[in-house]
Amino acid sequence: EDQVTQSPEALRLQEGESSSLNCSYTVSGLRGLFWYRQDPGKGPEFLFTLYSAGEEKEKERLKATLTKKESFLHITAPKPEDSATYLCAVRGGGGGNKLTFGTGTQLKVEL
Amino acid sequence: EAEVAQSPRYKITEKSQAVAFWCDPISGHATLYWYRQILGQGPELLVQFQDESVVDDSQLPKDRFSAERLKGVDSTLKIQPAELGDSAMYLCASSYGDSLYEQYFGPGTRLTVT
Repeated sequence: EDQVTQSPEALRLQEGESSSLNCSYTVSGLRGLFWYRQDPGKGPEFLFTLYSAGEEKEKERLKATLTKKESFLHITAPKPEDSATYLCAVRGGGGGNKLTFGTGTQLKVEL
Repeated sequence: EAEVAQSPRYKITEKSQAVAFWCDPISGHATLYWYRQILGQGPELLVQFQDESVVDDSQLPKDRFSAERLKGVDSTLKIQPAELGDSAMYLCASSYGDSLYEQYFGPGTRLTVT
């Protein structure tokens, strides 16, 4: 069974204070690791897909990296508008297109 | 920018009543998913459609939940009868195809069962 563990559960940063969110996973035959952003009361917003160890993707202040056991979402010089819950999900090799999600990291960036 | 549409956005119902949610995927997306998200947790897949066919409904509580996508476009998820434990956010997502495509989520329907 695919499993995803995200840490920390919650993170509070000052504006401009860079940090990283962790996503550890166990999956049989990884067919994609996904990062989503979710604002309160809204659906998840797609950010990145990573397929193989060593792959990196960037978007504005966010950079996602992937190893064989975990992924990191690096946030450089965050702004208050980056405050949200960041979800990690994996698609395993068991067939279909099922995503298994972690419980998320709730990020709050303060002035 | 194309988006997944869902309605209603909020629904309050009493236990034992029937409730239905509607989803219209992004145009051209053949695959449609219904997820349930309990507060503080990640979404969990309930059912996946490829066009009008069910691909995976292994996590759908079939004694009370049903889902259909009759013409392979929009979809309806129904709960009858609703139970207190069904209170959650119900999310619809769609993707262009099956294995190699990202899933895009709608805004969700927040269900409260009293």
